[in-house]
Amino acid sequence: EAGVAQSPRYKIIEKRQSVAFWCNPISGHATLYWYQQILGQGPKLLIQFQNNGVVDDSQLPKDRFSAERLKGVDSTLKIQPAKLEDSAVYLCASSPDARRAGELFFGEGSRLTVL
Amino acid sequence: GDSVTQMEGPVTLSEEAFLTINCTYTATGYPSLFWYVQYPGEGLQLLLKATKADDKGSNKGFEATYRKETTSFHLEKGSVQVSDSAVYFCALTTDSWGKLQFGAGTQVVVTP
Repeated sequence: EAGVAQSPRYKIIEKRQSVAFWCNPISGHATLYWYQQILGQGPKLLIQFQNNGVVDDSQLPKDRFSAERLKGVDSTLKIQPAKLEDSAVYLCASSPDARRAGELFFGEGSRLTVL
Repeated sequence: GDSVTQMEGPVTLSEEAFLTINCTYTATGYPSLFWYVQYPGEGLQLLLKATKADDKGSNKGFEATYRKETTSFHLEKGSVQVSDSAVYFCALTTDSWGKLQFGAGTQVVVTP
């Protein structure tokens, strides 16, 4: 079974530039999450999708971050304009169904450095 | 709000030593509790879980018991190997959608 795929693995940009990350979850997983992991901290949820609908985006900085999940499969997370404090690893995860709440399958992450 | 507190690392051990990583939580309602592990260069993966009080989760020689009275979920392994070197995250969820609240992580380094 293929795992959660993310790209790019690494990205370096200047502040005020934009960046986009892509995620392909495990086939058949209805729930998709984007987490932000700042160095030395645990992952923090940015947004959660159930199929192509948003379940929770309460911690997404909506003035600069946006995310979509078209057709309930792939997802993209965009940051525009980036700030220095956005330097982090962006983790995508998916989950098979609500009966296994909390059992997430993570991708390897996309590491963003903002200069 | 919900929160998870873990002991700070790094924790450095010799091979075959006993490992304990403390985890305590604050939550409304009755959370499910998890330990996730991140090996070097890899993504986070679920290590074990417990969904109700007094449940014991176990996997790969690791164990953790859900203690409601002390709001704890400490991770233990009786004899660690070099391959157990990783960052360990304690986490909880209190909603049916499975949104996880993570601790800050504890790095474990096992030396030969």
